[in-house]
Amino acid sequence: SFELTQPPSVSVSPGQTASITCSGDRLGDKLASWYQQKPGQSPALVIYQNNKRPSGIPERFSGSNSGNTATLTISGTQAMDEADYYCQAWDTSTGVFGTGTKVTVL
Amino acid sequence: QVQLQESGPGLVKPSETLSLTCTVSGGSVRSYYWSWIRQPPGKGLEWIGYIYYTGSTNYNPSLKSRVTISVDTSKDQFSLRLSSVTATDTAVYYCARLYHGSGSYNFDLWGQGTLVTVSS
Repeated sequence: SFELTQPPSVSVSPGQTASITCSGDRLGDKLASWYQQKPGQSPALVIYQNNKRPSGIPERFSGSNSGNTATLTISGTQAMDEADYYCQAWDTSTGVFGTGTKVTVL
Repeated sequence: QVQLQESGPGLVKPSETLSLTCTVSGGSVRSYYWSWIRQPPGKGLEWIGYIYYTGSTNYNPSLKSRVTISVDTSKDQFSLRLSSVTATDTAVYYCARLYHGSGSYNFDLWGQGTLVTVSS
């Protein structure tokens, strides 16, 4: 079955760039989305169609997808960006979420 | 604005059927796909399935034999039934709108989630 693997954790200093990877077989042939989940809250869409931002999502969030890896990049990371992040893609009409990455802003 | 609200029992006995309903307020279920997603305590997200307002469905193969999702357009609600539950089905269950545009499907609106515990 199709699986998406993420690093369990990423640490970043305020103002620096955080990169979160999502790996899956030929993921670049699919469309990747990213969701942010803060403690005690529901997930929220931050990137869709690999690199598009929904209305209201800051420009510091960007995405890319090529080969076997999709990447979510947070530029100029702020304390409010501390959260869990999940990638997501569709494999033959089956929704698959990544394993999740906890981003800590030190 | 459109909001989603899950409702249903917070405690279900092992081997019984979990039943949840998601009410769409401020909008209609028509012309959209709707989905259920769950998250065991301290763990990641798992997609359960989706339904189109016409009633067509698609389920996660790992749960397909136990899952039924239905829609009631007259009430702007959709529902989840998961049969033969065990402790591993204990999770926060989210309902979400699955937006379809430009060839992609994205969960663009989520309910607050409801914790369902499976225990005798």
